[in-house]
Amino acid sequence: KQEVTQIPAALSVPEGENLVLNCSFTDSAIYNLQWFRQDPGKGLTSLLLIQSSQREQTSGRLNASLDKSSGRSTLYIAASQPGDSATYLCAVGQETSGSRLTFGEGTQLTVNP
Amino acid sequence: DAGVTQSPTHLIKTRGQQVTLRCSPISGHKSVSWYQQVLGQGPQFIFQYYEKEERGRGNFPDRFSARQFPNYSSELNVNALLLGDSALYLCASSRDYGYTFGSGTRLTVV
Repeated sequence: KQEVTQIPAALSVPEGENLVLNCSFTDSAIYNLQWFRQDPGKGLTSLLLIQSSQREQTSGRLNASLDKSSGRSTLYIAASQPGDSATYLCAVGQETSGSRLTFGEGTQLTVNP
Repeated sequence: DAGVTQSPTHLIKTRGQQVTLRCSPISGHKSVSWYQQVLGQGPQFIFQYYEKEERGRGNFPDRFSARQFPNYSSELNVNALLLGDSALYLCASSRDYGYTFGSGTRLTVV
């Protein structure tokens, strides 16, 4: 059974800081990994999708890396802004179980002005 | 292109009642999945449908059921509601890979 862990559970940083969010998974037989952002009480916004054959993806100030063999992914946020405050969720798609996603519990990020 | 739309946005039901949640996927997306998110936790997989066929089911009781229609929209039904069913219910659609989520339906059971 796939288990996804996100560390830290919560993070508070001053504006402008570069930061790293961590995601680990127990079964390396993944199809892809997706990072989402969730604002309080809202749905999920997809940030980055990494296929299992890829090592990283970049979008603006965001960079996500994937190391399948070690079961890890990181989300790097450069020059953080107060508008980045949200919960960040990591989800893995399994090869063996079709397309279902297994989520971590998220990292709650607060960027202080 | 419209995103994934879910209705209603909020719902309050009494224990023992039944509820139906609705989802319209992005045009061209044939796969629809349902997730339950309890406050403070990550979403948990409930069902996946592709071309009207059930492709996967998570660890949820038989009180939960779903279906997909010929236009690829989907309904999630929950019978005999319990207080513990209070959650944000999320629908996601997919074409090839990667998921787009709707804004969810907030269900409160009292």
